[in-house]
Amino acid sequence: GQNIDQPTEMTATEGAIVQINCTYQTSGFNGLFWYQQHAGEAPTFLSYNVLDGLEEKGRFSSFLSRSKGYSYLLLKELQMKDSASYLCAVRDSNYQLIWGAGTKLIIKP
Amino acid sequence: GAVVSQHPSWVICKSGTSVKIECRSLDFQATTMFWYRQFPKQSLMLMATSNEGSKATYEQGVEKDKFLINHASLTLSTLTVTSAHPEDSSFYICSARVRPEVPEQYFGPGTRLTVT
Repeated sequence: GQNIDQPTEMTATEGAIVQINCTYQTSGFNGLFWYQQHAGEAPTFLSYNVLDGLEEKGRFSSFLSRSKGYSYLLLKELQMKDSASYLCAVRDSNYQLIWGAGTKLIIKP
Repeated sequence: GAVVSQHPSWVICKSGTSVKIECRSLDFQATTMFWYRQFPKQSLMLMATSNEGSKATYEQGVEKDKFLINHASLTLSTLTVTSAHPEDSSFYICSARVRPEVPEQYFGPGTRLTVT
């Protein structure tokens, strides 16, 4: 079966750095996405990785290792507005997105 | 660019009635649109995938006669919840994709449905 695992909840302090991990087992791989979702709102796109390595975009970076079936989202200089759920999704061989359950990130002052 | 709208943003209906939700891609043509459902504190659940001009593909466990999907044009898809029941109350989100080679899906703002 297809499976994506990520921690249910994480807590971090404003101004700090947090890493949200995602491991996956899917039938085929055509890219991994990270989305941010605030409560009661639709997801917004953060990053897309299809090759191994680190993609940096401002305070957010995303890393992928295809051989390990592993990705992480790194958030630096955390702000209170970063409190949200972070969804990891993998696109399989049929170009379907397989979604993780999401990681709720709580930022404390 | 790449804006997706949904209408209505929220709706309350009585049990047994039908509700139609519209999803529009405002500034691009979407060959494929997706319909998701999300219950509180849970992740997105894909309900169906619709390609313009063809029948929708439903995920296992989703009743196609209850959740009618029509993707009549490259900018509009509709989801009709027929004979709604309280357990259908949820957050319904659509997303659109230009074509498979373009990785990103663009999400609409969602529709909160409450069935009383």
